[in-house]
Amino acid sequence: AQSVTQLGSHVSVSEGALVLLRCNYSSSVPPYLFWYVQYPNQGLQLLLKYTSAATLVKGINGFEAEFKKSETSFHLTKPSAHMSDAAEYFCAVSDPNAGKSTFGDGTTLTVKP
Amino acid sequence: KAGVTQTPRYLIKTRGQQVTLSCSPISGHRSVSWYQQTPGQGLQFLFEYFSETQRNKGNFPGRFSGRQFSNSRSEMNVSTLELGDSALYLCASSLRFGGESNEQFFGPGTRLTVL
Repeated sequence: AQSVTQLGSHVSVSEGALVLLRCNYSSSVPPYLFWYVQYPNQGLQLLLKYTSAATLVKGINGFEAEFKKSETSFHLTKPSAHMSDAAEYFCAVSDPNAGKSTFGDGTTLTVKP
Repeated sequence: KAGVTQTPRYLIKTRGQQVTLSCSPISGHRSVSWYQQTPGQGLQFLFEYFSETQRNKGNFPGRFSGRQFSNSRSEMNVSTLELGDSALYLCASSLRFGGESNEQFFGPGTRLTVL
């Protein structure tokens, strides 16, 4: 079975500060990992995805994530937070034999002016 | 390409009623998954369809059912609604069933409120 654990249900940063959202995964097969963002009353939007081609993945809106097999981690970072980054972020691992994904509990990011 | 569309966007029902939600995937996508999102339980997988066949089902009671049509559009039905069914129901489509980097594209969701 696959699973993801997001460390920290709430993260608060100041505008311009580094954003770090943590995700650890568990998978018996090479994982397919994703980060999604959800704004209030909206669906989920894909930020980035991990493929086996590169361990450092760049996504939209200046976000990136690094796949570390030794640490079973796929943390999301952004060098400088913007007010518009305030949202809920979900890490997910997809089932290689299906279309569905298993999601973490989510991390709510607050950006202070 | 148009994104995933879900109708209706908002629904208010009373306990005991039934409800049908609709999802139209991105053109060409053949896999559709449904999720229930609540503040307490997060995102919970309901079921998944590919080529009109249910391929996976989450841990939900039989009151929750779904189907997929030949054009890949999908519907989910909840019968005998309970207060706890109040949630945001999200539909997601993907190009194929499984495989590497087969990301899902989500619709805006249907907000169901059960009174």
